[in-house]
Amino acid sequence: GIQVEQSPPDLILQEGANSTLRCNFSDSVNNLQWFHQNPWGQLINLFYIPSGTKQNGRLSATTVATERYSLLYISSSQTTDSGVYFCAVGRGSEKLVFGKGTKLTVNP
Amino acid sequence: GAGVSQSPSNKVTEKGKDVELRCDPISGHTALYWYRQSLGQGLEFLIYFQGNSAPDKSGLPSDRFSAERTGGSVSTLTIQRTQQEDSAVYLCASSPQREGNEQFFGPGTRLTVL
Repeated sequence: GIQVEQSPPDLILQEGANSTLRCNFSDSVNNLQWFHQNPWGQLINLFYIPSGTKQNGRLSATTVATERYSLLYISSSQTTDSGVYFCAVGRGSEKLVFGKGTKLTVNP
Repeated sequence: GAGVSQSPSNKVTEKGKDVELRCDPISGHTALYWYRQSLGQGLEFLIYFQGNSAPDKSGLPSDRFSAERTGGSVSTLTIQRTQQEDSAVYLCASSPQREGNEQFFGPGTRLTVL
């Protein structure tokens, strides 16, 4: 099955810093999503981005499907950005396969 | 609009008991998925329903697990004879299956088996 690797596994930042999270996947996909899991466990949809680039406020994402990776950029980080960021991929309407996540801690 | 809802939010049960977990998908979403999140296994797929098609049960870990979806809407995940290793957060997601396959998740049910 498809393998998903996320890096780094842990990231500690000072408020205001920028960061890049990476997601590599092992096979062609046509579904890729980035999620933020908040402290209460809710998975919040950040981006649905099987290819191309999208931006939403301080967050942006780029997926290069032909090279099987996606990047999530967080600029001017805030303490509320803390949590676990997951990348998940799939084909068509099939299940999502999740990476192990990047745990982000933003200190004031 | 309303998101995916799940009930109960927390469930504590004794080993050997049966439990039922409920999921209400977003109205109009034709696809419904169950996943679980545990410390040792991360987020893993359990089962997928799409319209009237036969469900994809390939992720169910044992025959103690079953799920049904009535009327193409609400779904119930049943775990029989619960074991301690069943303790996890059970997450439900739905997808509109048009204009892409973006999945939207509910808040989850935290199951603790004593």
